Amino acid sequence: NAGVTQTPKFRVLKTGQSMTLLCAQDMNHEYMYWYRQDPGMGLRLIHYSVGEGTTAKGEVPDGYNVSRLKKQNFLLGLESAAPSQTSVYFCASSRRGGPGSPETQYFGPGTRLLVL
Amino acid sequence: EDKVVQSPLSLVVHEGDTVTLNCSYEVTNFRSLLWYKQEKKAPTFLFMLTSSGIEKKSGRLSSILDKKELFSILNITATQTGDSAVYLCAVTSGGSYIPTFGRGTSLIVHP
Repeated sequence: NAGVTQTPKFRVLKTGQSMTLLCAQDMNHEYMYWYRQDPGMGLRLIHYSVGEGTTAKGEVPDGYNVSRLKKQNFLLGLESAAPSQTSVYFCASSRRGGPGSPETQYFGPGTRLLVL
Repeated sequence: EDKVVQSPLSLVVHEGDTVTLNCSYEVTNFRSLLWYKQEKKAPTFLFMLTSSGIEKKSGRLSSILDKKELFSILNITATQTGDSAVYLCAVTSGGSYIPTFGRGTSLIVHP
């Protein structure tokens, strides 16, 4: 099993450009998440999905859009990149959870994005 | 709004020392508290705690939850340079299972 994979690993954008980050998981997890991590800020939730075809906003959704057309994939889009979006982006997935069920998140290796 | 506060924000120790990392939280309808270790890249799961007073242990790492006082501690005994990492605490609440993360504690262990 590959677990959670992210594409690309690193990207440099100019202000105003657009891009899509791809996350894929092969664990048949229902839940998927996109986080950003900035120095000293921990992990902040951008958007998440509790199942195929559904998405919801997290703590810092502005400037990002997401789609979950297939259960195994979760895409994060930046329509018009800004320097404030320079960050490391992590995708994660987890089972649905439930009584006695672990809510462990499995993280991808991260995408480092630099917006000039 | 759920809130998770970790302390200290950073810590520098020498090999062999014992460290205690703290995580306090304010959530509605607490469900679970999770600890992750983040080295160079992705966070990796350490513990999940749901019951008060029951210690979870893995080698030199252990963690305990106090639901009355709303905090958890992560202990690392006989630290090694390989323990150097950022340790993240997260809580889930209600029925959503969506975790809220703290800012993390950066631990540096010198030889």
